Amino acid sequence: DAGITQSPRHKVTETGTPVTLRCHQTENHRYMYWYRQDPGHGLRLIHYSYGVKDTDKGEVSDGYSVSRSKTEDFLLTLESATSSQTSVYFCAISSTGGGNQPQHFGDGTRLSIL
Amino acid sequence: AQSVTQLDSQVPVFEEAPVELRCNYSSSVSVYLFWYVQYPNQGLQLLLKYLSGSTLVKGINGFEAEFNKSQTSFHLRKPSVHISDTAEYFCAVSETGFQKLVFGTGTRLLVSP
Repeated sequence: DAGITQSPRHKVTETGTPVTLRCHQTENHRYMYWYRQDPGHGLRLIHYSYGVKDTDKGEVSDGYSVSRSKTEDFLLTLESATSSQTSVYFCAISSTGGGNQPQHFGDGTRLSIL
Repeated sequence: AQSVTQLDSQVPVFEEAPVELRCNYSSSVSVYLFWYVQYPNQGLQLLLKYLSGSTLVKGINGFEAEFNKSQTSFHLRKPSVHISDTAEYFCAVSETGFQKLVFGTGTRLLVSP
């Protein structure tokens, strides 16, 4: 299995608080991704990174920011959490950005915002 | 922009029966196609992928899929399912060039004895 660790695995917090999720990889892959998974929507891309300090928006980026200061770490921040951001968040990595490279996924973070 | 449609949200089947999970995609360019499986409380694992060449692709755990360009489909099949195949299955597509995976909404396979 690809070496991807997401932390925390579970978190419950209140509306309006900041939240940061961490994805750590040991594969030295250049590309990293954050998705959210919601019933009836499958997985939707929030942000992705194609190198240190290089990031871009995905399909559902509003309300989220990311940072990548090291190859191995990709952080997802909810500046002021809302109930609509209750979801399961997955990090993924790939060695290149070519469409033929499969992505490998972490085990997810279940986030509940009350 | 590409999109993926998984026509069945849930497929119940008895153990040892065959199963087909349907996936259709829409894209204006050449695509790569993937099937992922998600077991409860876990991330997604790659089952198989179609990149080019033979349209029949074999994956792990006895699954296979067939790429049909004219029907823009990539249906997943298994001739005889096991209880352990109970999971959610996602079809995904990416276009040639930069890899942005677009996922379908998933199909929950429920295998009963």
